[in-house]
Amino acid sequence: SQQGEEDPQALSIQEGENATMNCSYKTSINNLQWYRQNSGRGLVHLILIRSNEREKHSGRLRVTLDTSKKSSSLLITASRAADTASYFCATGGGKLIFGQGTELSVKP
Amino acid sequence: EAEVAQSPRYKITEKSQAVAFWCDPISGHATLYWYRQILGQGPELLVQFQDESVVDDSQLPKDRFSAERLKGVDSTLKIQPAELGDSAMYLCASSLRDYNTDTQYFGPGTRLTVL
Repeated sequence: SQQGEEDPQALSIQEGENATMNCSYKTSINNLQWYRQNSGRGLVHLILIRSNEREKHSGRLRVTLDTSKKSSSLLITASRAADTASYFCATGGGKLIFGQGTELSVKP
Repeated sequence: EAEVAQSPRYKITEKSQAVAFWCDPISGHATLYWYRQILGQGPELLVQFQDESVVDDSQLPKDRFSAERLKGVDSTLKIQPAELGDSAMYLCASSLRDYNTDTQYFGPGTRLTVL
């Protein structure tokens, strides 16, 4: 069963533009994580935000968390063609429960 | 940089055959996970080990799937017999010790196609 739902399912932008992906989840959480998956490959951990945090930055990534709305967003600024991948949010400790992902395409 | 190793990377098999996947976690990582990812969906946990013990295998179809981590290091996931619906990516991940807080590191996966 999927805990989170990402929106949009697919996003296509030009290099240099910002990309925003949203994640909604159903139950209370201790933390929420974002992962990237290049086509046909394993997942790479991007960032973890704890339930008592509202915003977190890592390089060109900015993650927000609104526990009252059970939602999170991932912003990638100044996107590059290399950012083309699927992005997943995941909740839970140990047993991560993933959403269905947002497929991001960045065109040069 | 240490990585999770998986083999094979690709496996094509016929229905009713047996298949096995191998995973070697990052050295020192006590927790090991096997996930299954159907095309277009997020990964779903099949089984979680803490050292050599199973912590969670509630989503593992035990009539055909088995997993072991005998010495608490590398792990094998087996499917016997394989069915058409088993076609998916099988991902292995590991984390240091505290599975509630530690980051999970994923291997490259094994892409299984059942004909």
